Amino acid sequence: EAQVTQNPRYLITVTGKKLTVTCSQNMNHEYMSWYRQDPGLGLRQIYYSMNVEVTDKGDVPEGYKVSRKEKRNFPLILESPSPNQTSLYFCASSSRTTTQGYTFGSGTRLTVV
Amino acid sequence: AQKITQTQPGMFVQEKEAVTLDCTYDTSDQSYGLFWYKQPSSGEMIFLIYQGSYDEQNATEGRYSLNFQKARKSANLVISASQLGDSAMYFCAMRESHGGTSYGKLTFGQGTILTVHP
Repeated sequence: EAQVTQNPRYLITVTGKKLTVTCSQNMNHEYMSWYRQDPGLGLRQIYYSMNVEVTDKGDVPEGYKVSRKEKRNFPLILESPSPNQTSLYFCASSSRTTTQGYTFGSGTRLTVV
Repeated sequence: AQKITQTQPGMFVQEKEAVTLDCTYDTSDQSYGLFWYKQPSSGEMIFLIYQGSYDEQNATEGRYSLNFQKARKSANLVISASQLGDSAMYFCAMRESHGGTSYGKLTFGQGTILTVHP
């Protein structure tokens, strides 16, 4: 089944403790992206990658890191999480010319206390 | 400047009635794509419908249709014969492109919560 898998689904952590949210896709998509969703703000792009070793900042990159060492994986790293990073996070992937937009993972609900 | 604007924070519709969710966009590109996604209370993002900027016909997918008015830069979603299961958050999104290749960014509006009453 074609899908984007992100883990974990739920995470509660403390301020400053480094964490990684994993994301993997099995559709051989070139593009991958991370979004965060906050009430009243819709989804905002954090980082995106157009291919292996090619990443770029989205609208809200501060406090996040990404890497794209393999085509299928695009982990999101929070080196020192803070409470304002409490949010619902989505990983998504897409081919270059798709008319289907992005395929989204199931989401990770992160709480930083 | 806001690229995607959804002016209706919430909408209510009676079951079996049609409803229109508004979306306006802003771009200087000639080539772009417009998307609608549904997010039920369970949280997943479900792709509904796509409209390309060069498509001459309005897109339709089952009970979903997109009322595309290019000159007005609007891409409203029409849901016909609403069902209780249509109650969800709906997002309009735009993907700009250049030379036939899409950029990596899909820009979203703030969303509209649709409630279908029995």
